[in-house]
Amino acid sequence: DADVTQTPRNRITKTGKRIMLECSQTKGHDRMYWYRQDPGLGLRLIYYSFDVKDINKGEISDGYSVSRQAQAKFSLSLESAIPNQTALYFCATGDGGTEAFFGQGTRLTVV
Amino acid sequence: DAKTTQPNSMESNEEEPVHLPCNHSTISGTDYIHWYRQLPSQGPEYVIHGLTSNVNNRMASLAIAEDRKSSTLILHRATLRDAAVYYCILSDRPFGNEKLTFGTGTRLTIIP
Repeated sequence: DADVTQTPRNRITKTGKRIMLECSQTKGHDRMYWYRQDPGLGLRLIYYSFDVKDINKGEISDGYSVSRQAQAKFSLSLESAIPNQTALYFCATGDGGTEAFFGQGTRLTVV
Repeated sequence: DAKTTQPNSMESNEEEPVHLPCNHSTISGTDYIHWYRQLPSQGPEYVIHGLTSNVNNRMASLAIAEDRKSSTLILHRATLRDAAVYYCILSDRPFGNEKLTFGTGTRLTIIP
């Protein structure tokens, strides 16, 4: 099983719909992150959490919200999806050590 | 935040060494240099990191210029599996998994 699991892997949704992307990890790490990847722009940080009671905005948090349900679970929500939120979304975890561990990504298309 | 500059793309022959350059002329004295790579249809994965001295691990070597304004990731013997986008990232923390800032990276193509 993967250390970081994202569900769903692919999703097509309509403009205005609410959608949740889920992430779970088996690394036992306290820190979790959500990134967005657009072609030609690299990865950009949306939100991050250093423990269950800690939530922080990243570079591009507008239009997104998150929930840290447990140490192992970190969800990203789009309250009202819009087409420019079409992107590849990655969840990551870390323990403050040298590596961040990424999931395989969720490809989201908003039509 | 200090920026990094990498070539958009590079090609290399299989089983030959690959040198991936990264310029970071505005690096501060406390910035660590991290390299991640992203294989096709995968999330990024850690490769190596360093501060001042050259570093080696099972995946690669990192050569850091004496003035720290540039660094080079060295893959000693490229395989087809090394085809990926390679990201050079600076972090002001010794452990880089906090709020990594990714650029566009270098797309490495391996020629069989």
